Amino acid sequence: QVQLVQSGAEVKKPGASVKVSCKASGYTFSSTYLHWVRQAPGQGLEWMGIINPDGGSTFYTQKFQGRVTMTRDTSSRTVYMELRSLTFDDTAVYYCAKEGGEFWGQGTLVTVSS
Amino acid sequence: EIMMTQSPATLSVSPGERAALSCRANENVNNYVSWYQQKPGQAPRLLIYDASTRATGIPARFSGSGSGTEFTLTISSLQSEDIAVYYCQHYNSWPLTFGGGTKVEIK
Repeated sequence: QVQLVQSGAEVKKPGASVKVSCKASGYTFSSTYLHWVRQAPGQGLEWMGIINPDGGSTFYTQKFQGRVTMTRDTSSRTVYMELRSLTFDDTAVYYCAKEGGEFWGQGTLVTVSS
Repeated sequence: EIMMTQSPATLSVSPGERAALSCRANENVNNYVSWYQQKPGQAPRLLIYDASTRATGIPARFSGSGSGTEFTLTISSLQSEDIAVYYCQHYNSWPLTFGGGTKVEIK
């Protein structure tokens, strides 16, 4: 069965970076894009960008360009989302989701706190 | 960037009654719209894709309609387990965007 398993919660200081992982199983890893979506506390869903595991090409929404990098490791079937120069506004649950929207990771809470 | 606007922000419906949630795009997104249900502490759950196709395992009381710029999610007979926030999302082009959500509550 398809599963996306994300890394655990993180607490970071303002200005730091965070790298969240998403390990895929149950399907052909290179066959479909993976998305990253975040949700600040009490807020709606915000699409951040997408990565093609076949080749590693990416697209980031303009808001995060220059601050986010999405990568993949085909040997471990894992995609990563690194967000730099964190501010308090980056406190959120970060989700990975398989193209099509049917399968999501469990979410990773990133807390930015001084 | 295409904007998706959902209305109303909150919808109060009596059990067994019909709920209609609206989503409007500020430009044509064809039928490339999904609807998600999200309950507290959970990841979103895909209900509808391609504007009107129910995802696997979704009860028949959920239906989607629309194309172009106007879309509707209908819950034909509201059940207590349907209390949640519902989001529309377009995938006509990158970047994808979500609507702000509609919270469905029991009247």
